[in-house]
Amino acid sequence: GQQLNQSPQSMFIQEGEDVSMNCTSSSIFNTWLWYKQDPGEGPVLLIALYKAGELTSNGRLTAQFGITRKDSFLNISASIPSDVGIYFCAGPLYNTDKLIFGTGTRLQVFP
Amino acid sequence: ETGVTQTPRHLVMGMTNKKSLKCEQHLGHNAMYWYKQSAKKPLELMFVYSLEERVENNSVPSRFSPECPNSSHLFLHLHTLQPEDSALYLCASSQDRGAIYTGELFFGEGSRLTVL
Repeated sequence: GQQLNQSPQSMFIQEGEDVSMNCTSSSIFNTWLWYKQDPGEGPVLLIALYKAGELTSNGRLTAQFGITRKDSFLNISASIPSDVGIYFCAGPLYNTDKLIFGTGTRLQVFP
Repeated sequence: ETGVTQTPRHLVMGMTNKKSLKCEQHLGHNAMYWYKQSAKKPLELMFVYSLEERVENNSVPSRFSPECPNSSHLFLHLHTLQPEDSALYLCASSQDRGAIYTGELFFGEGSRLTVL
């Protein structure tokens, strides 16, 4: 079935570093969503993207809707300890009412 | 404080037990969802309810039985589960089903289920 692949699977970085992660699909998506899941919590929406090439920021987070519409990228600048968690991309499956999620990128930030 | 509350937070059950997970939303939303989150796998959509009517059953085994008595409450009844059903079960709600395009799903903290 349709899958959203995220890379890297996990990252271990030092506080203050910038982070980049991506999400790819074999199919076109018209909406890309990025969520963060804190330990012991449910996912929370960070950024929504609706147009190919769109670049949207939310504080230190910036996400881009890939030109091919088959990928999306999330960058975090100047990471801090509370950035720890799992980051998921997601998108509505074409011609369905289903929102599917990526495999996740687990981020650990060390002081 | 989350607008979506799930109980219990943790549940251990044997394969022959019957138990239920409960979800309550205080956001006035019309759609509610059950997702399954297993280790190293993407969140899997299980069921979708819109205005208390089940609109999606994502090929979930019958040992999982959802119930939506009103727009604020959603249950997942569990019966004769298998060890591979051990996972975090997340409930979510949204204003309506259009949330799959806006991403405005509000998740609970999840119920961690262990099947022995």
